[in-house]
Amino acid sequence: AQSVSQHNHHVILSEAASLELGCNYSYGGTVNLFWYVQYPGQHLQLLLKYFSGDPLVKGIKGFEAEFIKSKFSFNLRKPSVQWSDTAEYFCAVNVRRGGADGLTFGKGTHLIIQP
Amino acid sequence: DTGVSQDPRHKITKRGQNVTFRCDPISEHNRLYWYRQTLGQGPEFLTYFQNEAQLEKSRLLSDRFSAERPKGSFSTLEIQRTEQGDSAMYLCASSSGGSGNTIYFGEGSWLTVV
Repeated sequence: AQSVSQHNHHVILSEAASLELGCNYSYGGTVNLFWYVQYPGQHLQLLLKYFSGDPLVKGIKGFEAEFIKSKFSFNLRKPSVQWSDTAEYFCAVNVRRGGADGLTFGKGTHLIIQP
Repeated sequence: DTGVSQDPRHKITKRGQNVTFRCDPISEHNRLYWYRQTLGQGPEFLTYFQNEAQLEKSRLLSDRFSAERPKGSFSTLEIQRTEQGDSAMYLCASSSGGSGNTIYFGEGSWLTVV
């Protein structure tokens, strides 16, 4: 079965700092990859997704992620964070196979941006 | 609001009681998912419907849990004889189908078993 590992459970940064959140997955086949964000008191929202094509994908709010197949990684980046980026970030994988295609999530990274 | 809606948003129940949650997916979405999320963890897949057919159930879904989607629209998740370990956020999500399609989440139903 597939699994997702997020290396940093808690990250604290100052505004304008650069961000990189690590995500690795374990599955040998073809996958779709996602980053979701959960702002305090709100539902999960999609930040960006990778299905195929250009491994560098751009999402909302200035976020981007790079799929590196050889490293089974899909790290999330943002060059300059804002206080409003404080949230929980989840990496998820969806395996392309027959039958169900529910997402497998990592445990999340709690990001705190200090003004 | 045309997103995924869930009801109730919060439920406190005594151990041993039954609870039921309802989910209304985004209109025209034929796939509906239930997840469970506990503090400090990511959402965990419970079960999935395509239209009215329940196609997969996680091993997390014990026999006290049952989910239905009778007409392929809204869905219910019932937990019988609740236990304290059932305390969690129950998330519903929907998508329009295809393994690459985006899955949209509702705001969740918080369950506290006392």
